[in-house]
Amino acid sequence: AQSVAQPEDQVNVAEGNPLTVKCTYSVSGNPYLFWYVQYPNRGLQFLLKYITGDNLVKGSYGFEAEFNKSQTSFHLKKPSALVSDSALYFCAVRALSGYSTLTFGKGTMLLVSP
Amino acid sequence: NAGVTQTPKFRILKIGQSMTLQCTQDMNHNYMYWYRQDPGMGLKLIYYSVGAGITDKGEVPNGYNVSRSTTEDFPLRLELAAPSQTSVYFCASGAGDTEAFFGQGTRLTVV
Repeated sequence: AQSVAQPEDQVNVAEGNPLTVKCTYSVSGNPYLFWYVQYPNRGLQFLLKYITGDNLVKGSYGFEAEFNKSQTSFHLKKPSALVSDSALYFCAVRALSGYSTLTFGKGTMLLVSP
Repeated sequence: NAGVTQTPKFRILKIGQSMTLQCTQDMNHNYMYWYRQDPGMGLKLIYYSVGAGITDKGEVPNGYNVSRSTTEDFPLRLELAAPSQTSVYFCASGAGDTEAFFGQGTRLTVV
C-alpha cells in the first residue's frame, strides 16, 4: 500500500528566512508526487508536481520541491518565507502506472512570523 | 471556469438521517475522489472512481455509498448518519497524469 509521511505537525519560520516542509513516501514503482496548500475554511490548492524529469520542480508562489529517489523524499522549499505563506501543506503520492489512488500525508502547518 | 462544484457547503443532520453530497466537474476528468478531513488526520479516501460506471472503496468507506452514472457527477450518499461522520468532505477530480482539482468542501455536522 502506498503512504506519505509528513514528520512535522508544525513548522515555524521567520519572515524572510528559507523554509522546508518535509515529505517522504512509499509507493510501488515510480511515483507521481504533489504538494497542495490549504488556507482556513478553503479547499486544497495545487502548488506543484513531480512526474518525470528534473528533480527540482518549481511551482506557484515561489515554492519548489526536490525529488530524491534514493531517500524517497519530496521536500517543499522556499528561499524566503512570507507571512502570507502561513497555511496547512499536504504532500500526496500516486503510482505512475495502473489505477492508483491519490494518498495524502497528514499535513504540516506552516507558521511564518513577522 | 467552474472546475469541481460541491453542494451543499454546510449541513447539519440528525443521527439516523440520510443525505447526498453532490459533486460535479466540468473538466472531463476520468478520476474522481471523495475524501474526508478531520483535524490532525489529513485527508482520508472514502471512495473513488476511474470512470463512469466504475467505483471502488477507499480507506474509510463504511457508512457511505457512491455512484458514477456520468463522467461529470459523483454523488456521495450517507444512509444513517452517525456523529462519527461529522467532518469536512472534499470531492476532487483529475486525469491520469495530472494533479487533482478540489471542490470547496462540505462541512457536515451530525447531532
